[in-house]
Amino acid sequence: DAGVTQSPTHLIKTRGQQVTLRCSPKSGHDTVSWYQQALGQGPQFIFQYYEEEERQRGNFPDRFSGHQFPNYSSELNVNALLLGDSALYLCASSFYGVVGQGADYGYTFGSGTRLTVV
Amino acid sequence: AQTVTQSQPEMSVQEAETVTLSCTYDTSESDYYLFWYKQPPSRQMILVIRQEAYKQQNATENRFSVNFQKAAKSFSLKISDSQLGDAAMYFCAYRGGTQGGSEKLVFGKGTKLTVNP
Repeated sequence: DAGVTQSPTHLIKTRGQQVTLRCSPKSGHDTVSWYQQALGQGPQFIFQYYEEEERQRGNFPDRFSGHQFPNYSSELNVNALLLGDSALYLCASSFYGVVGQGADYGYTFGSGTRLTVV
Repeated sequence: AQTVTQSQPEMSVQEAETVTLSCTYDTSESDYYLFWYKQPPSRQMILVIRQEAYKQQNATENRFSVNFQKAAKSFSLKISDSQLGDAAMYFCAYRGGTQGGSEKLVFGKGTKLTVNP
């Protein structure tokens, strides 16, 4: 059973550029959430996608956008990169349903994409 | 807004000994879930243990157990018989609501655990 796959694993970009990160969820999961983890910090919630729509959003500027495809995979796009966007970006997949009706509490994380902005 | 606080940036333990990692949280919700995640150098977040707030019994998973004090909003992790493979960053996380995977996780800043041989 495949877990969560993220690509690329590492990325170096220049300030002002745009970047796209990709995530394939665990089999059976229909929801993808993105987190930003700065060095030495805990992950911060960026947004969540379900049924190809953004369902929840954390305190991140509009430069951060995303997309979910019919196969549940997702992309995170960041425009006009800043030095402060350098971080580990984690994708977590889950099942949106109600606990006890097929859903569990589980979030499965990928190994992340390390983005360095220079 | 919910917050999670881990007051120990670093902890160390001798192999085979016991260590306790602390976590406190703040919420006005009555239904929620608490988690401990382990993040080794491979970077993947691995679920260690979880606790449902409505359950009075503390969760246990092999060598890992929690001390959940709902009134005090405290959720500590005890690792017994520590092993070298336990060395990692440990994050305490909170999730509100009763839905499945539709709620975001709120993480603490983490505790770096070192296990000495």
